[in-house]
Amino acid sequence: EVVMTQSPATLSVSPGERATLSCRASQSIKSNLAWYKQKPGQAPRLLIHDVSTRATGIPARFSGSGSGTEFTLTISSLQSEDFALYYCQQYNNWPLTFGGGTKVEI
Amino acid sequence: EVQLLESGGGLVQPGGSLRLSCAASGFTFTTYAVSWVRQVPGKGLEWVSTISGSRGNINYADSVKGRFTISRDKSKDTLFLQMNILRAEDTAVYYCVRRSWDDGGCFDYWGQGTLVTVSS
Repeated sequence: EVVMTQSPATLSVSPGERATLSCRASQSIKSNLAWYKQKPGQAPRLLIHDVSTRATGIPARFSGSGSGTEFTLTISSLQSEDFALYYCQQYNNWPLTFGGGTKVEI
Repeated sequence: EVQLLESGGGLVQPGGSLRLSCAASGFTFTTYAVSWVRQVPGKGLEWVSTISGSRGNINYADSVKGRFTISRDKSKDTLFLQMNILRAEDTAVYYCVRRSWDDGGCFDYWGQGTLVTVSS
């Protein structure tokens, strides 16, 4: 099983600041990585797939990078609606696995 | 517009059974893989099972293999999850999720989820 490890568990930032979230895979997953955002009481929403491709309707302040085993989600200038939980997920191998999440808070 | 609407959640005793349904609309059901993903309240996400679009290939998480069965009714664009021998640790919100292509990809559309509670 590919273990996905996210860091930090909690990221405290101010509106307008830059946030950098990390995700590490226990083995190479090529470019088969996605990021999701979840707000309390809501289903997750796809932000980025294939490491760096933004999903439909996702603003340009969200960007993804990395390859192999190390990946990063960057939010360039945090807006109030960006304070949420973020998960990375690999879809290169069965079983499909998620990271434990990073909570972005004020 | 892609929509996924889950139903069938509720309270069930340990050892019991439950069948979840997911009504899909807004896309051609048999050309995308669809999955169940669950989330214990306040915890992270766990993939449960996937059925591929055209071939109907099936995969399960080890935690549910032998107890859960994924299936679909192509004539009604509906996905099912038959859950047997339920355990307390199966308590979670179950999401119906579309994958981004026939036999793989990310989870691009999510339903709102249905809560399953396993308790005596």
